[in-house]
Amino acid sequence: GQSLEQPSEVTAVEGAIVQINCTYQTSGFYGLSWYQQHDGGAPTFLSYNGLDGLEETGRFSSFLSRSDSYGYLLLQELQMKDSASYFCAVRDKQAGTALIFGKGTTLSVSS
Amino acid sequence: NAGVTQTPKFRVLKTGQSMTLLCAQDMNHEYMYWYRQDPGMGLRLIHYSVGEGTTAKGEVPDGYNVSRLKKQNFLLGLESAAPSQTSVYFCASSYTRQGNEQYFGPGTRLTVT
Repeated sequence: GQSLEQPSEVTAVEGAIVQINCTYQTSGFYGLSWYQQHDGGAPTFLSYNGLDGLEETGRFSSFLSRSDSYGYLLLQELQMKDSASYFCAVRDKQAGTALIFGKGTTLSVSS
Repeated sequence: NAGVTQTPKFRVLKTGQSMTLLCAQDMNHEYMYWYRQDPGMGLRLIHYSVGEGTTAKGEVPDGYNVSRLKKQNFLLGLESAAPSQTSVYFCASSYTRQGNEQYFGPGTRLTVT
């Protein structure tokens, strides 16, 4: 089957850097995506890694190592508004274009 | 450009009642999905569609039916609601076959008593 593991909670202070790890098991790998969800809101797409390496988008970066079945989301210069849940996701080989999501990591940023 | 919209936003049903959740997208996306989100469980795929007139089962399809009669609409039906179907339902769409970047609607919060 396919599964993803990520920490359930992470806490940090404003201005800090935090890394959210994701390990996955999948029978066919098509890349790793990251989504952000604020409390009560809809998930929004943050980044996608199809190949090994680092992808940078502003304060957020995402990394993938296919040989280690591992990726992470790096958030820099944390702000209070970054308090949210973060989900890693892989394509579901059994369901065509759909995604399988991890259970999410709740990030709490304090001042 | 409204993106992905869902109606209704909230609903309370009694056990055994039926209802239909409507998802609409104005981005001309081929692919659409229904997920449910429960506390501590992340998002789980219920059904999905790869184009008008096509639907397929996801991870947790039991108790739900779907239809995609028009490209822009994806309907999720509950024929006989059960308390286990209390959840937040999200519709999403994507324009690439890879589906990595999905656009989500605001969600429908359903309570079944």
